[in-house]
Amino acid sequence: DTAVSQTPKYLVTQMGNDKSIKCEQNLGHDTMYWYKQDSKKFLKIMFSYNNKELIINETVPNRFSPKSPDKAHLNLHINSLELGDSAVYFCASSSSLGELFFGEGSRLTVL
Amino acid sequence: AQSVAQPEDQVNVAEGNPLTVKCTYSVSGNPYLFWYVQYPNRGLQFLLKYITGDNLVKGSYGFEAEFNKSQTSFHLKKPSALVSDSALYFCAVRDGAGTYKYIFGTGTRLKVLA
Repeated sequence: DTAVSQTPKYLVTQMGNDKSIKCEQNLGHDTMYWYKQDSKKFLKIMFSYNNKELIINETVPNRFSPKSPDKAHLNLHINSLELGDSAVYFCASSSSLGELFFGEGSRLTVL
Repeated sequence: AQSVAQPEDQVNVAEGNPLTVKCTYSVSGNPYLFWYVQYPNRGLQFLLKYITGDNLVKGSYGFEAEFNKSQTSFHLKKPSALVSDSALYFCAVRDGAGTYKYIFGTGTRLKVLA
């Protein structure tokens, strides 16, 4: 069983479209995250939820909206996609004192 | 504010030689420190962490790291490098004072030459 799973693994879409990425963890962790990895491999935190409550909201355009229906799921919806949104988006989860567990990533390409 | 620095974009080492990948950090409270490895087109995999206790931490695949509070460093080491260790390595820090924010360094590409 995959600990942190994200779908889809690849998205290719046109500018202006809306897309969603889903994430689920079966580790029983309370905290989940979205990170963005750009073409230079830099990892930047975007959002974090703890028990369905938003606790970290970095300076991300409001076209990005996270949603956590329960503590095992954290989805990312992106409106009006732009070229600069092309990146790999990683979901992760953690316990209160532990390390992050990452999903395999969702590679978004905006044309 | 938390920050992590990985001063080397790339480290080259011959197979069988010891390797070191450098990391320095800045946090306001007690640091939680982590190393991750990323292989091409994969997610990040946890290698080891320092929360408290012994300054020398042992992790997966024969890697270890030494926490040095006075130098605010947490360098990753391995006594004998393998070609299969070639990958991208990330250092990360979390402020132990209660925040949930994990900040990552810019990554160091390790190339082990046969």
